[in-house]
Amino acid sequence: EVQLVESGGGLVQPGRSMKLSCAASGFTFSDYYMAWVRQAPKKGLEWVASISYEGSSTYYGDSVKGRFTISRDNAKSTLYLQMNSLRSEDTATYYCARQGYWELDYFDYWGQGVMVTVSS
Amino acid sequence: IQLTQSPSLLSASVGDRVTLSCKGSQNINNYLAWYQQKLGEAPKLLIYNTNSLQTGIPSRFSGSGSGTDYTLTISSLQPEDVATYFCYQYNNGLTFGSGTKLEIK
Repeated sequence: EVQLVESGGGLVQPGRSMKLSCAASGFTFSDYYMAWVRQAPKKGLEWVASISYEGSSTYYGDSVKGRFTISRDNAKSTLYLQMNSLRSEDTATYYCARQGYWELDYFDYWGQGVMVTVSS
Repeated sequence: IQLTQSPSLLSASVGDRVTLSCKGSQNINNYLAWYQQKLGEAPKLLIYNTNSLQTGIPSRFSGSGSGTDYTLTISSLQPEDVATYFCYQYNNGLTFGSGTKLEIK
């Protein structure tokens, strides 16, 4: 059974940093692109970032480019999202998602999400 | 590509045939998926590549469309189908529609 479990969320002040983790199990992690998708409170879904199988290629949405960094550790089957220079508009539930075989693909499995609140 | 979903809110009765619409600002070339999100839960993939049913999803869900216009159909609405439904395109960039909230009348 595919499982994705996010951790690392919470309350953070504007301008500070936070790192999210996603532990994957139930599939061969290195065979798939992985991604982060977020959802602001009572809002829609927004793709944040994607990463290739070995982590050599990364892709970002315009709203986070230059501030967020996606990475992965295939030996640990873990996906990360380093978030710097956080803003109030980054407040959202962040979902880890399995993306498939390239950066333009659908997400077939999602984690339960982790809440990030950016506030002073 | 921007996606416009309609209606934003839909109220229907159990057993009804329900149709949700998703329109793209450009040709999506059938790279269109549908997700169901129940309150407090993560999104769940229902349909990918316009009309392919994800494993484990009931056959009352189906997708169709081409070009810029796509549809999710529920053939016989069940109480457990109450949720918000999002369309998602992966033809040019990655974008989601704003969602259709489906309620039971």
